[in-house]
Amino acid sequence: QQQVKQSPQSLIVQKGGISIINCAYENTAFDYFPWYQQFPGKGPALLIAIRPDVSEKKEGRFTISFNKSAKQFSLHIMDSQPGDSATYFCAASSYNNNDMRFGAGTRLTVKP
Amino acid sequence: DVKVTQSSRYLVKRTGEKVFLECVQDMDHENMFWYRQDPGLGLRLIYFSYDVKMKEKGDIPEGYSVSREKKERFSLILESASTNQTSMYLCASMGHHNYGYTFGSGTRLTVV
Repeated sequence: QQQVKQSPQSLIVQKGGISIINCAYENTAFDYFPWYQQFPGKGPALLIAIRPDVSEKKEGRFTISFNKSAKQFSLHIMDSQPGDSATYFCAASSYNNNDMRFGAGTRLTVKP
Repeated sequence: DVKVTQSSRYLVKRTGEKVFLECVQDMDHENMFWYRQDPGLGLRLIYFSYDVKMKEKGDIPEGYSVSREKKERFSLILESASTNQTSMYLCASMGHHNYGYTFGSGTRLTVV
């Protein structure tokens, strides 16, 4: 049973466009929601993370939007660049549990 | 720069072989994790450890075991490798209640 559902599975965006990836979770005990970026041949690397006490967090071109009542969060990549082409994973964890639950991943391709 | 190092990038093993995947971290982290990554399934937790000699089953522990004799090293063992264990294996570590994971670069295991 997947505790974090991610969509879409793949996404193609033109350079300069906005990439949007969505995730939904079930466990209301989750209180930490990170996004990881993975390039081919590499392990995932932490990109940006949010806690449920805020509705939005922005770091450069990357923004997380969080909707606690709907149990949903999303990653927005503004002005998408070919170098952003990678697989993105959303995840969720809770303070009392050290293990993290991951979404299935989204393969983003940004066309020049 | 903090690191999680996985001993092999690529491995090819025969069905029935005993396989050892090694992971070492240099961050003095208490928590270490083994995930497998498969297309469309994301990252699935196999086992994790929150202290030396301690281990907990994840979502898919069948066919695997682990060993943590020292804080910095966490080994994944395939007792008798099977073709359905062909996958990318990722090791990660995390400090106590630190939330953020640091991943290794992964080991791509092929069982023939």
